[in-house]
Amino acid sequence: KAGVTQTPRYLIKTRGQQVTLSCSPISGHRSVSWYQQTPGQGLQFLFEYFSETQRNKGNFPGRFSGRQFSNSRSEMNVSTLELGDSALYLCASSLARGGEASKGEQFFGPGTRLTVL
Amino acid sequence: AQSVTQLDSHVSVSEGTPVLLRCNYSSSYSPSLFWYVQHPNKGLQLLLKYTSAATLVKGINGFEAEFKKSETSFHLTKPSAHMSDAAEYFCVVSGRISGGYQKVTFGTGTKLQVIP
Repeated sequence: KAGVTQTPRYLIKTRGQQVTLSCSPISGHRSVSWYQQTPGQGLQFLFEYFSETQRNKGNFPGRFSGRQFSNSRSEMNVSTLELGDSALYLCASSLARGGEASKGEQFFGPGTRLTVL
Repeated sequence: AQSVTQLDSHVSVSEGTPVLLRCNYSSSYSPSLFWYVQHPNKGLQLLLKYTSAATLVKGINGFEAEFKKSETSFHLTKPSAHMSDAAEYFCVVSGRISGGYQKVTFGTGTKLQVIP
């Protein structure tokens, strides 16, 4: 079974631009979560989607948004990029919400390294 | 409320000596607990998980962790460190919140250095 894939793997943007990152979960997984990882702040939760609906949201400004499609693929968008948005963005997928089968276990993709100049 | 505390941000051990990475958690419900490892410039890989079965959990690469409810701890251990173990390790707690959803909380990570 293929793992979680994220595209692109690397991205360079300039301040003020916007960016869209893509995540394809493991087949059968319906929950997708996004995280931002930086050396200073560590791993921070952005949001979680399940069945095309945002179920949980971290403490990030409205410039960060996302969506999930009917095939469970998810995109994350960051508008008006700032230097501080430079980070590794990780996507994780898991099985149906709250079930005994998943118990919160997540499978991570390799991440998208975003550099804002 | 749910939280997880990794007590050491950095741990340094000599190759061949034991590894201990400490994790304490807080959760309103019976939680699931996980340890993930992240090698440089890589995504996170699941090492092991506790989901209310045996309290001593064995994972990949010789790691194991013991769930101690009375101490609210889930420390990660390995009898003998290998150079390839050098990485960052994250303790994660997952608990059920209202609406039947799982809330997942990550610790701040512990960087393990292995000295030859």
